[in-house]
Amino acid sequence: QVQLVQSGAEVKKPGASVKVSCKTSGYTFTDYYIHWVRQAPGQGLEWMGWINPNSGGTNYAQKFQGWVTMTRDTSISTVYIDLSSLTRLTSDDTAVYYCAREKSEVWDVWGQGTTVTVSS
Amino acid sequence: QTMVTQESSLTVSPGGTVTLTCASSTGPVTSDYFPNWFQQKPGQAPRSLIYTTSNKHSWTPARFSGSLLGGKAALTLSGVQPEDEAEYYCLIYYGGARVFGTGTKVTVL
Repeated sequence: QVQLVQSGAEVKKPGASVKVSCKTSGYTFTDYYIHWVRQAPGQGLEWMGWINPNSGGTNYAQKFQGWVTMTRDTSISTVYIDLSSLTRLTSDDTAVYYCAREKSEVWDVWGQGTTVTVSS
Repeated sequence: QTMVTQESSLTVSPGGTVTLTCASSTGPVTSDYFPNWFQQKPGQAPRSLIYTTSNKHSWTPARFSGSLLGGKAALTLSGVQPEDEAEYYCLIYYGGARVFGTGTKVTVL
């Protein structure tokens, strides 16, 4: 069956970087876009951007341009989101990060979520 | 900054009907905005319910339906069950970007 399995929880200090993975299985990896969505504690869902696993092309929400990078490794059907910048990660980035797949305007399967905690 | 607005909370009795709406700050929502709807229960990942306005996934209960209503996307729950108590989010397409709605907390009382 189709699965999106994300990496485990992370605890980071402000200013650090973090990379979360989303390993897919049960379908042709290059046929579906993967989106990243985050949810701060007690808040709603926030779309961060997508990656096209076929071409590697990306589209980021304006808020995240310049400090979020989405990549993929087709050999292991995995996509990554890298929240990097030596000065960017703050306690406001404490959230659950989800990956979800989409094809032709149809969102269907989600990952289980990865909790990222930013704390000094 | 584009905003997508939903009712903050709604209460419905078991067996009743409730309609949630999803409005865009840019104007009327049409099928060209490909609205999707998701359900999220506490501590769980979101679950996809409806895609491209009114289409259901194989796992979507028949009591859920999507439509366009008065320039908004709408999600109607008919014959509400206690297990439908959850947060519901819409998602709207704006070209290459996507924007989630603010979310509606549905309470079954």
